[in-house]
Amino acid sequence: DTAVSQTPKYLVTQMGNDKSIKCEQNLGHDTMYWYKQDSKKFLKIMFSYNNKELIINETVPNRFSPKSPDKAHLNLHINSLELGDSAVYFCASNVLNEKLFFGSGTQLSVL
Amino acid sequence: KQEVTQIPAALSVPEGENLVLNCSFTDSAIYNLQWFRQDPGKGLTSLLLIQSSQREQTSGRLNASLDKSSGRSTLYIAASQPGDSATYLCAVASNNAGNMLTFGGGTRLMVKP
Repeated sequence: DTAVSQTPKYLVTQMGNDKSIKCEQNLGHDTMYWYKQDSKKFLKIMFSYNNKELIINETVPNRFSPKSPDKAHLNLHINSLELGDSAVYFCASNVLNEKLFFGSGTQLSVL
Repeated sequence: KQEVTQIPAALSVPEGENLVLNCSFTDSAIYNLQWFRQDPGKGLTSLLLIQSSQREQTSGRLNASLDKSSGRSTLYIAASQPGDSATYLCAVASNNAGNMLTFGGGTRLMVKP
């Protein structure tokens, strides 16, 4: 019955690899997001996406790309992973201008 | 560019105390402000959402206020309990960034029995 679920919970990989994190929400929300939480616990928006519009934070490298097969899913694909990509990545969703619901996070470690 | 600051960064209080967490933001053109709770190793849970037209919201022992003109919000926790120990984050949705939230750095709260 998890509202926003993301997999995997932990992801350990080598530099240069390509990886994906999956996110699904069963709340019927129209907007989904990806956030990055760095080692100092600071949260930054990466993407905002609904079925009409993708908004990208200008600081996000183009190695990161969101992919949405349907309204309930927003996956995050990362190419050519770098050490600095190590962080916790959170998926979230909401209805416009209402409370935001977060997944439990994916801890990515790049070696 | 919106910037959100939370003071203090960490707070330790004995059980039963009332406490106030502070949040300030630089751009008053906001849609709303939310307060979240994050437990170690977990995601964030939205506690209260205040729309830009509102002054405060209450849920149980929590009360959040919003003063848009001065760029400030406070989260008041009454009769604190050890179970309130967590990191509390405030976040604003700015008019020029759609629904995307800008987060403060959080206040790490410890309530001692």
